[in-house]
Amino acid sequence: KQEVTQIPAALSVPEGENLVLNCSFTDSAIYNLQWFRQDPGKGLTSLLLIQSSQREQTSGRLNASLDKSSGRSTLYIAASQPGDSATYLCAATGNQFYFGTGTSLTVIP
Amino acid sequence: DGGITQSPKYLFRKEGQNVTLSCEQNLNHDAMYWYRQDPGQGLRLIYYSQIVNDFQKGDIAEGYSVSREKKESFPLTVTSAQKNPTAFYLCASSEGLAGGVNEQFFGPGTRLTVL
Repeated sequence: KQEVTQIPAALSVPEGENLVLNCSFTDSAIYNLQWFRQDPGKGLTSLLLIQSSQREQTSGRLNASLDKSSGRSTLYIAASQPGDSATYLCAATGNQFYFGTGTSLTVIP
Repeated sequence: DGGITQSPKYLFRKEGQNVTLSCEQNLNHDAMYWYRQDPGQGLRLIYYSQIVNDFQKGDIAEGYSVSREKKESFPLTVTSAQKNPTAFYLCASSEGLAGGVNEQFFGPGTRLTVL
């Protein structure tokens, strides 16, 4: 069964810093990798989806990369802002969607 | 605006009661899902449906039931058989089932508390 891991579980950075969030998966036979943002008490908001044939996707200050062979995806956030504070989850799509437990990000003003 | 709505936002249940959580989508998606989220455990799949009048058990279906009478609606009933129902429940949809390039979209969630 696919296992998805996100380390660290929590991260605090000063405003303006660039940062990388990590997502690892055990089975490389995935169709895509999706990154989400979750604010406290809210649903998940889709940020980026990388198809298995792609290496990366960009949206504004966000850049997600995918390396299927090593079972890794990263979410790069440039020039972090306090409004970026949230939990970030990744999900690998195989025969179902497999979610990591998330990284809780705090951006300190 | 297209999206997924869930109601109510907060729900309180007494011991022995059945409660039903609503999920509606206007994205014209075929597939719909129910997840449960507990602190530190991530999302766990309860039920999913690929098409009207068809649904399949997920990893933690015991104590839950669903129906899919309309494409846009996928209500979840938490029965009295569910031993620990207090959790945050999330509904999601995608154009098709996982197994292709399917992006999942989520509703705002329902927080269920057992009194």
